[in-house]
Amino acid sequence: GEDVEQSLFLSVREGDSSVINCTYTDSSSTYLYWYKQEPGAGLQLLTYIFSNMDMKQDQRLTVLLNKKDKHLSLRIADTQTGDSAIYFCAERPSYNTDKLIFGTGTRLQVFP
Amino acid sequence: GAGVSQSPSNKVTEKGKDVELRCDPISGHTALYWYRQSLGQGLEFLIYFQGNSAPDKSGLPSDRFSAERTGGSVSTLTIQRTQQEDSAVYLCASSRRQGANNEQFFGPGTRLTVL
Repeated sequence: GEDVEQSLFLSVREGDSSVINCTYTDSSSTYLYWYKQEPGAGLQLLTYIFSNMDMKQDQRLTVLLNKKDKHLSLRIADTQTGDSAIYFCAERPSYNTDKLIFGTGTRLQVFP
Repeated sequence: GAGVSQSPSNKVTEKGKDVELRCDPISGHTALYWYRQSLGQGLEFLIYFQGNSAPDKSGLPSDRFSAERTGGSVSTLTIQRTQQEDSAVYLCASSRRQGANNEQFFGPGTRLTVL
């Protein structure tokens, strides 16, 4: 079946790097995504990676994909207080559907 | 340009009543999606539309849930005979369904509370 798992909480000091992890079960995943949800705001797409890629870097964000282990991670360099939010991992399970399967979200708290 | 809008933003209803939730997608977006976010849980896919047809409605929890889309634009999600477990934030998203990643743009959601 399709399942996406994330740890619920992560707390980091401002200026440190944050690493948010995600595991998924569907071996036919096509694209994997990271969304950010800030209080009172809708979900915002941060970045995505195609399933045949290992890594993608976008400014302070680095996405690593281990397809063998079905493990996805999001690294945020030089984490700022404005990065405090809930981060959702999501997968598109196949080319035959446009639906996304989301994880439970990881609440990132950045303290000074 | 305007983003995805949803109405109402909040809805409180009594158990057993029917509710309708509305979604206005971004102009020009052909695909429209409904998700549900329950407290402490991730987003749960409900249904998506390509134009006015629904290729995948596998996520609708029961036959009390239905959705329609008319004119390739506005969509309505209807929940009949609401139950307390239906309480959640209902999120709508739309996409152009073009490009490699088919980015979905989300609305602010409708918070439904069933008493």
